[in-house]
Amino acid sequence: QSVLTQPPSASGTPGQRVTISCSGSSSNIGSNDVYWHQQLPGTAPKVLIYRKNQRPSGVPDRFSGSKSGTSASLAISGLRSEDEADYYCAAWDDSLSGYVFGTGTKVTVL
Amino acid sequence: EVQLVESGGDLVMPGGSLRLSCAGSGFIFSNAWMSWVRQAPGKGLEWVGRIKSKPAGGTIDYAAPVKGRFSISRDDSENTLYLQMNSLKIEDTAVYYCASGDGFDIWGQGTMVTVSS
Repeated sequence: QSVLTQPPSASGTPGQRVTISCSGSSSNIGSNDVYWHQQLPGTAPKVLIYRKNQRPSGVPDRFSGSKSGTSASLAISGLRSEDEADYYCAAWDDSLSGYVFGTGTKVTVL
Repeated sequence: EVQLVESGGDLVMPGGSLRLSCAGSGFIFSNAWMSWVRQAPGKGLEWVGRIKSKPAGGTIDYAAPVKGRFSISRDDSENTLYLQMNSLKIEDTAVYYCASGDGFDIWGQGTMVTVSS
């Protein structure tokens, strides 16, 4: 079961900014790095944000991550049709001694 | 090219066993912390377990739903990660992905495991 809570859906028109929240606790987001992954329809997930809000090479700077206390956010600026996907946050949980994923957010471009 | 390729997925009866493999290439596999993550049909991602690199101690951690039934191992000489799944349940039906790094930097394409009678 997921211990990181995300909104089930988010949407915007092309060019808009969309923000996805990820709510956790002191044992996961509050004390460890948060990772964000994008899963396009029918494909494997791909990392977008990792290790202190860094982006791997090839990920546009339209994607940015932030963290405050026990919550994290992923912002997508300049929304594009190819950003339609499911987005998941993830973090190590010290209490569970394992990784936990968020519930997932489906982003729709109107 | 950095790549992970899973194999071994199949249809298996409840109570049965299956072993999945994940072959890595294009990076120093022996230094990578490796994980298994699964996704049931139409559902979200669920972490299954992780094995650290041998230089980091080789520690293995499992998610509660699979502890005692699943076993993760690695053969660094073959750049391959394994997931031995025993006492399979219907709820283990999922696409199984391997991923490298402590933040799942690289993902494989996944292999489907169906547990059904």
